Amino acid sequence: DAGVTQSPTHLIKTRGQQVTLRCSPKSGHDTVSWYQQALGQGPQFIFQYYEEEERQRGNFPDRFSGHQFPNYSSELNVNALLLGDSALYLCASSHVVTGTRGTEAFFGQGTRLTVV
Amino acid sequence: AQKVTQAQTEISVVEKEDVTLDCVYETRDTTYYLFWYKQPPSGELVFLIRRNSFDEQNEISGRYSWNFQKSTSSFNFTITASQVVDSAVYFCALSEAVNEKLTFGTGTRLTIIP
Repeated sequence: DAGVTQSPTHLIKTRGQQVTLRCSPKSGHDTVSWYQQALGQGPQFIFQYYEEEERQRGNFPDRFSGHQFPNYSSELNVNALLLGDSALYLCASSHVVTGTRGTEAFFGQGTRLTVV
Repeated sequence: AQKVTQAQTEISVVEKEDVTLDCVYETRDTTYYLFWYKQPPSGELVFLIRRNSFDEQNEISGRYSWNFQKSTSSFNFTITASQVVDSAVYFCALSEAVNEKLTFGTGTRLTIIP
């Protein structure tokens, strides 16, 4: 059973460019969350997708957007990249049981984004 | 707003020693969930434990144990007889519900010296 998979593993972009990161959730999971982890810091919640809609959003600008597909996979898009966007981007998947009850989040290995 | 504090930035202990990682949290919710995750150098966050706010029973899993005290808003993690493989960054996290967003602490880097 494959866990959460993310691609690419590493990425280097130039300031001002746009980037798309991809995530496939663990089998049986229907909810995908994205986190940004700066060096030496804890992960910060970006947003969560469930049933192809953004369900929750953290304190991130509109440059950060996402999408969830019918097969539950997800993309994170960042426009107009800034040097400060350099970080490890983690995807987590979970399963909603009823309402807000569900499984704990399982994380992928992340995408290391470097903006130069 | 929710907040998680891990005051210990880095800890080093000699193999086979016991070590406790501290976690203090803040929340106005009466129902919440606490988590511990381990992050090895590969980057993946590995789930260790989940605890409900209404269940203050301590838990032991092999060499790992967790002490949850609502009176002091703490959820500490102890590794007994530490091993080199325990070396990693450990994160404590808080959420309103199991499937809700996680608020993480800044992590504690644990190094086990052979």
